[in-house]
Amino acid sequence: EVKLLQSGGGLVQPGGSLRLSCAASGFAFTSHAFIWVRQPPGEGLQWVSLINGDGDGTYYADSVKGRFTASRDNFRNTLYLQMNSLRVDDTAIYYCANVVGTGVWGQGTTVTVSS
Amino acid sequence: DVVMTQSPLSLPVTLGQPASISCRSSQGLEHSDGNTYLAWVQQRPGLSPRRLIYRVSNRDSGVPDRFSGSGSGADFTLKISRVEAEDVGVYYCIQGSYWPITFGQGTRLEIK
Repeated sequence: EVKLLQSGGGLVQPGGSLRLSCAASGFAFTSHAFIWVRQPPGEGLQWVSLINGDGDGTYYADSVKGRFTASRDNFRNTLYLQMNSLRVDDTAIYYCANVVGTGVWGQGTTVTVSS
Repeated sequence: DVVMTQSPLSLPVTLGQPASISCRSSQGLEHSDGNTYLAWVQQRPGLSPRRLIYRVSNRDSGVPDRFSGSGSGADFTLKISRVEAEDVGVYYCIQGSYWPITFGQGTRLEIK
């Protein structure tokens, strides 16, 4: 079964850090690029980051550039999103996804930034 | 970045009636490999998004055949032949031909 299983997330104070993980199974992980997408409460999907198959190419939305870092471990078939200097407006459900290839999405993980 | 523009943004539909969503890109989406990486994703209330259509017109496994995608160049359409209650949610077009991947604003389908 093609699957993305997310972990991480939680409640953090403004200025804090969190790392999200996304473990892939059931397909050829290293062949695919992945995106991170978020959904603030009551809003639509927002693209956050893109990472290529080798992990040496990354793109970021302007709103997270310089604060978020996407990476991957192709031995563990796992993606990561390191989020630093978190702000209240980063509060959202975060999804990892392989939209172009398998189409699989993670189940989502909630990040709440609040004092 | 490629801008994706969907219309309408809100789509009230009577059960059993057809529905159509348009998606236009700011430039043609044919990739240098000959493919057009345009997908449609559905997000039902409270659930993770789910891809319905990939490369313009290919239905993903398990997607009912009342969903169809068409189009070329910079103009694409998602059609639902007969809307059912379970189709309520938000629909997004997504292009993957040019990086970064970009999304439409989403179209909210509701039952009249």
